[in-house]
Amino acid sequence: SQTIHQWPATLVQPVGSPLSLECTVEGTSNPNLYWYRQAAGRGLQLLFYSVGIGQISSEVPQNLSASRPQDRQFILSSKKLLLSDSGFYLCAWTRGTANTEAFFGQGTRLTVV
Amino acid sequence: EDKVVQSPLSLVVHEGDTVTLNCSYEVTNFRSLLWYKQEKKAPTFLFMLTSSGIEKKSGRLSSILDKKELSSILNITATQTGDSAIYLCAVESDSGYALNFGKGTSLLVTP
Repeated sequence: SQTIHQWPATLVQPVGSPLSLECTVEGTSNPNLYWYRQAAGRGLQLLFYSVGIGQISSEVPQNLSASRPQDRQFILSSKKLLLSDSGFYLCAWTRGTANTEAFFGQGTRLTVV
Repeated sequence: EDKVVQSPLSLVVHEGDTVTLNCSYEVTNFRSLLWYKQEKKAPTFLFMLTSSGIEKKSGRLSSILDKKELSSILNITATQTGDSAIYLCAVESDSGYALNFGKGTSLLVTP
């Protein structure tokens, strides 16, 4: 069966510090991978998605970046965090075919102070 | 631009009540509509709807899609406190790879 791991679960970082959130998927190959952010009281905002190694598409311009160094690994990064980067970050994967649900990691609660 | 709108944004009911959550969408080349339940962390999948008028059912939860009205409803009968959660609606279309989510409906079921 497929599983998705996301860490850390919570993170408190000072403004201007770097960020690295990691997500890995097990039990499947060639997944589509996604990073979403959920601000309080709001829906999920798509940040990045990837359909293959080294292929990253950005949906929202910002000071975050994403990388996919391996087929089942997706990393969200920032060189310098802003207060506005606080939120709940969710990694997800799909099978990359039509009419397929997304499976989510447990999320990372990021607080920038 | 694709749009998914959920209503109401929040709802408080008593145990045993029946609730109906709404989701409407404007997307290019619709493929499917999905419902998720989010309690504390990861959203968990409830239903996927692709065909109009066919009800999907799981226990006390059911959902139906109306492609003519570009909408879907999620019904929960005999609500329990464990139904308290954010219910998210998402739409998949040909215009992108990712699901487009609404803002969610926050449901609180009181004893």
